[in-house]
Amino acid sequence: DADVTQTPRNRITKTGKRIMLECSQTKGHDRMYWYRQDPGLGLRLIYYSFDVKDINKGEISDGYSVSRQAQAKFSLSLESAIPNQTALYFCATRGTGTTGELFFGEGSRLTVL
Amino acid sequence: ELKVEQNPLFLSMQEGKNYTIYCNYSTTSDRLYWYRQDPGKSLESLFVLLSNGAVKQEGRLMASLDTKARLSTLHITAAVHDLSATYFCAVGHTSGTYKYIFGTGTRLKVLA
Repeated sequence: DADVTQTPRNRITKTGKRIMLECSQTKGHDRMYWYRQDPGLGLRLIYYSFDVKDINKGEISDGYSVSRQAQAKFSLSLESAIPNQTALYFCATRGTGTTGELFFGEGSRLTVL
Repeated sequence: ELKVEQNPLFLSMQEGKNYTIYCNYSTTSDRLYWYRQDPGKSLESLFVLLSNGAVKQEGRLMASLDTKARLSTLHITAAVHDLSATYFCAVGHTSGTYKYIFGTGTRLKVLA
């Protein structure tokens, strides 16, 4: 089983709908991140969290919200999806006292019609 | 604001050739990472460079870091088809915020 699991892996929705992408990890890491990938733009940071009480905005947080329900769970919500939020979304984790590389989930492909 | 520029964006090369991917960043950082992404897949860590002058090698790939020039390179030696993928560099903030900013990626295609 993957250490960082994202659900759903694929989702097609309509404009205006509320969508939640979920991420869970078994690595015991305290730091979790949500990134968005668009062709030619690389990965852009949406939100990151150091623990359940610490949530921070990234480069492109407008239109998104997050919830850190537990150390192992970090959810990303689109309150009212719009077509330009169509993208591949990645959750990642990082442990403390490490070399600092991120460990990524398999990605969630979201299409907003 | 930390910015990371990567070039080229796309690289098509013949098997057996050498090439270098460049990663420039705008503010001080002593943490530089390289990741590989296969089509439709997740990202996996290739190299972690934590100090000026750091050099890491794995097979046909070698990464280096020059913090004074704010530049990292990923050198490919005698490319093979299996190296076809997208390569990302990422820079970590040293302010303690542990934010990671990614470059735009270099899509590498190695032709047989």
